[in-house]
Amino acid sequence: QLQLQESGPGLVKPSETLSLTCTVSGDSISNTIYYWGWIRQPPGKGLEWIGDIYYSGSTYYKPSLKSRVTISGDTSKNQFSLRLTSVTAADTAVYYCARHPFSGWYVNWGQGTLVTVSS
Amino acid sequence: EIVLTQSPATLSLSPGEGATLSCRASQSVSNYLAWYQQKPGQAPRLLIYDASNRATGIPARFSGSGSGTDFTLTISSLEPEDFAVYYCQHRINWPLTFGGGTKVEIK
Repeated sequence: QLQLQESGPGLVKPSETLSLTCTVSGDSISNTIYYWGWIRQPPGKGLEWIGDIYYSGSTYYKPSLKSRVTISGDTSKNQFSLRLTSVTAADTAVYYCARHPFSGWYVNWGQGTLVTVSS
Repeated sequence: EIVLTQSPATLSLSPGEGATLSCRASQSVSNYLAWYQQKPGQAPRLLIYDASNRATGIPARFSGSGSGTDFTLTISSLEPEDFAVYYCQHRINWPLTFGGGTKVEIK
């Protein structure tokens, strides 16, 4: 059974770097069928796609975040990570990791983790 | 970046009533559109994919239609568990985007 679990600090200071990890069980992030992605949701607001990574290492990012975002994978730990630099209060959100097949949709999601940006 | 505009923002209805939710794309997404349901404190759940196909385990009261730029999610008769927020999403190209959501609330 596939499980995705986000982990990382729940509080980050303004101007610092947000780092989250998604640990995958029940599948391999090297599976050629799937993309692995990050989506966030500010409190009380809608969903915002951040980016995807493919097993080959190819990445795709939201243009407005591209200069600050890096998504990477660690096949040895079966994890993929999100790094967001120079955070502000606007980056406060629940961050979800999720999986979608090559020509498909986000069926599998983590439970989400709240990250608050505050001094 | 394709913008998805959902309307209305809020729909106030009673159980048993039908609901019609709209999603409009700023350019054609063909049929590469999905609908998700999200309840408080939960991750989104895929309801409809490729505009009109129900995902596994989704009741038949949920249906999707449309292509190109205009899409509709219809709930034929609202059950108590259907009161939630609904989002559309496209996947015709990167960057992927979500609509702003429609909240279906109890009247």
